[in-house]
Amino acid sequence: EIVMTQSPATLSVSPGERATLSCRASQSVGSKLAWYQQKPGQAPRLLFYGASTRATGIPARFSGRGSATEFTLTISSLQSEDFAVYYCQQYSAWPYTFGQGSKLEI
Amino acid sequence: EVQLLESAGGLVQPGGSLRLSCAASGFSFSDYAMSWVRQAPGKGLEWVSAISASGGSIYYADSVKGRFTISRDNSKNTLYLQMNSLRAEDTAVYYCAKSGTWILYLDYWGQGTLVTFSS
Repeated sequence: EIVMTQSPATLSVSPGERATLSCRASQSVGSKLAWYQQKPGQAPRLLFYGASTRATGIPARFSGRGSATEFTLTISSLQSEDFAVYYCQQYSAWPYTFGQGSKLEI
Repeated sequence: EVQLLESAGGLVQPGGSLRLSCAASGFSFSDYAMSWVRQAPGKGLEWVSAISASGGSIYYADSVKGRFTISRDNSKNTLYLQMNSLRAEDTAVYYCAKSGTWILYLDYWGQGTLVTFSS
């Protein structure tokens, strides 16, 4: 099973600042990496697939990068609605696995 | 608009059974893979099971293999998860989610349904 490790567990930032979240895979997943955003009481929402392709309706302030085992999600200028938990997920090999999540808080 | 509506979960006893369903609309259901993902209270996401568009390919997490069965009825635009031999650790919100043509990432999610245990 491919283990996905996210860091940091919690990131405290202010609106307008830049935030970068990391995701590391225990073995190469190529570019088969997705990112999701989850707000309290809501279902997750797809942000990126293929490591860097934005899903429909995702603002340009979000960017995804990386390949193989190292990936990042960057939010260039945080808006109030961006404070949430973010998960990475690999779809290179079953069982598909999620990271434990990174919480972005004010 | 894509909509995924899970049936109500419920209160179950250890060893009991429950069937979840997910009614899909707003897309051609028979063309897309579907999955169930769960989230224990205060915890992260776990991909439970996935089924291809035709139903010919099915995958399970080791934690539920042999106890859970995923299925779909493309004539009714409905996804199912039959859960048997339930354990306390199966307590979670269960999400129905849609993939693309292949079982890869999840582009649309239902609102989730809670399965909890009574002692």
